[in-house]
Amino acid sequence: QVQLVESGGGLVKPGGSLRLSCAASGFTFSDYYMSWIRQAPGKGLEWVSYISSSGSTIYYADSVKGRFTISRDNAKNSLYLQMNSLRAEDTAVYYCAPSGYSGYAPFDYWGQGTLVTVSS
Amino acid sequence: EIVLTQSPDFQSVTPKEKVTITCRASQSIGSSLHWYQQKPDQSPKLLIKYASQSISGVPSRFSGSGSGTDFTLTINSLEAEDAATYYCHQSSSLRYTFGQGTKLEIK
Repeated sequence: QVQLVESGGGLVKPGGSLRLSCAASGFTFSDYYMSWIRQAPGKGLEWVSYISSSGSTIYYADSVKGRFTISRDNAKNSLYLQMNSLRAEDTAVYYCAPSGYSGYAPFDYWGQGTLVTVSS
Repeated sequence: EIVLTQSPDFQSVTPKEKVTITCRASQSIGSSLHWYQQKPDQSPKLLIKYASQSISGVPSRFSGSGSGTDFTLTINSLEAEDAATYYCHQSSSLRYTFGQGTKLEIK
């Protein structure tokens, strides 16, 4: 069955950095576009970033552009999110999710998420 | 950016009631609209894809309709376990967006 396991969250000071990882299994990871989605405490869902199956196409939400970098390692079935210059408003649970073969698809599966807390 | 606006933001309903949640897009998105259910302290779960396509394992009381800019999620004969927040999501643009969520409370 499909499994998505996010890790790397934690407490970080404003201006600091964190690298999130997502380990995928149960599907052909290299065929799928992947996204990071976040949810601030008590708030709704916000899409953060997207990467194509080959890694050649990447998009970011305006709120993280220039600070976050998405990447993937298809040999390791893993997705990453490098987060720099973190702000208090980046505090959220971060989820990874596949979005089909072309990206124009729903998020069929979600991980359990990893909590990032940005606070001094 | 395609803005999705859900209504209502909150609804208190009784079991066996029929519930309708709407999602309006700021521009036409065809049928690229999906619905998710999120229960407290859980990850979101896909309920309906491409406006009206059912998902295996999701109870048949959940259905979706609409196209273009106006979409509806209907829950027939609500059950206590349906207490959750419901989100719509568009994948017409690769800069995905979500609705703000509709919280259902069961009386």
